[in-house]
Formats: sequence, C-alpha cells, structure tokens
Amino acid sequence: QVNLLQSGAALVKPGASVKLSCKASGYTFTDYYIHWVKQSHGKSLEWIGYINPNSGYTNYNEKFKSKATLTVDKSTNTAYMELSRLTSEDSATYYCTRSTTYYFDYWGQGVMVTVSS
Amino acid sequence: DIQMTQSPASLSASLGETVTIECLASEDIYDILAWYQQKPGKSPQLLIYDASSLHTGVPSRFSGSGSGTQYSLKINSLQPEDFASYYCQNGLSAPLTFGSGTKLEIK
Repeated sequence: QVNLLQSGAALVKPGASVKLSCKASGYTFTDYYIHWVKQSHGKSLEWIGYINPNSGYTNYNEKFKSKATLTVDKSTNTAYMELSRLTSEDSATYYCTRSTTYYFDYWGQGVMVTVSS
Repeated sequence: DIQMTQSPASLSASLGETVTIECLASEDIYDILAWYQQKPGKSPQLLIYDASSLHTGVPSRFSGSGSGTQYSLKINSLQPEDFASYYCQNGLSAPLTFGSGTKLEIK
C-alpha cells in the first residue's frame, strides 16, 4: 500500500537549517509529484511547493522561495525539503504529500519542527 | 493568488444531523477544488476532488457541489467519526491555496 514516511521531529536553533525527508513506498515514485505543506499550530494549511521526481523540476510558492529547497533521490525513493535560516515563524508541522494533478491523495504523517534556542 | 474564504469557522451539530460548509474563491476556479478532512494530530485526508467527485473509500454521506467561485461540502447524517476539521483547496493555479478551515464539533 502507498506510504509516505517522514523523518522524526526536529528541534533546531534559530538561524540554523534542517533537512526533512519523505520516503515513498507502495507505488512508482516517479509517477507522482511530491508536494510539501506547512501547518502552523492550530492554523490552516500552506502549500510550499512541489518537485517532479522524474525530472527534478520544482515549483515554489513565492512566499517560500528563499526558505525551502526541494530535492529527491530516485535511488531511494526519497524526497527532501531543506529549510534554511530558521526563525520561530518556521515552527510548524510539515507534511509531504503526492499528486498527479492538483489534489493530494496520500499524505505523510507529518513532522514537527520546533525552532528554539 | 486565489483567496479561499471558508465558512463557518466552527460549527456545532448533533449526531444524525446534516451540515454544509461553504468555500468562496476570489475568482472563478472552474471546479478545480478539493475538500479534506483532518482529525487532531493526524494528516489531512482527501474527501472530494473536482468539486464533486468522491475520493475512493469516502462514505457517500459526503458530497460536494458548486461552480464558479462558490462551493460547498455537505455531510448527511453525521457520524461520530465526522467530527473533525475540514479544508477546501484551490487547484486552478499556483500557489495552491487552502481555506482557513471549519471545525465541526459535537453539540
């Protein structure tokens, strides 16, 4: 069955970077785009961007263009998102999810990132 | 960016009731709209796509309708597992945007 397994929770210091992973299984990795979505505590969902695992093409929400970098490793069916120059505003739960068009049919379990000194 | 205005922000209802959640897009999104359900501490789950198509495995008491800029999610005969938060999502153009959410609580 389809599964998107995300890395564990992260506690990082302000100004640092963190790299989150999302390992896909149960389907052909290159057949679906991988998207990343941010959810601040108790708030709604924000789309960060997506990567095409086949070509490596990325499309970012302008708001996150200088914050997030999306990559994939096709050899391990894993997608990554690196968040840089972290501030308290980046403390949130981050989800990876997949799509062929615009809607997301499977989601990772989410990873909580806490930015604190 | 297309703004998605969702209402109400919260809703109290009883088991067996029927409820409707609305989503208003800032421009015509041509039915390119999805609905998700999210339970506390869990990932969102797809319910509806293309405004009215039911995702595989979703109970038929859920239905979506609308066109242009106005869309709605209807839940018939509320079950205990339906008490959760619901989000609409624009898929017409990037950036993909979500509504602010509706929290459905038991009365």
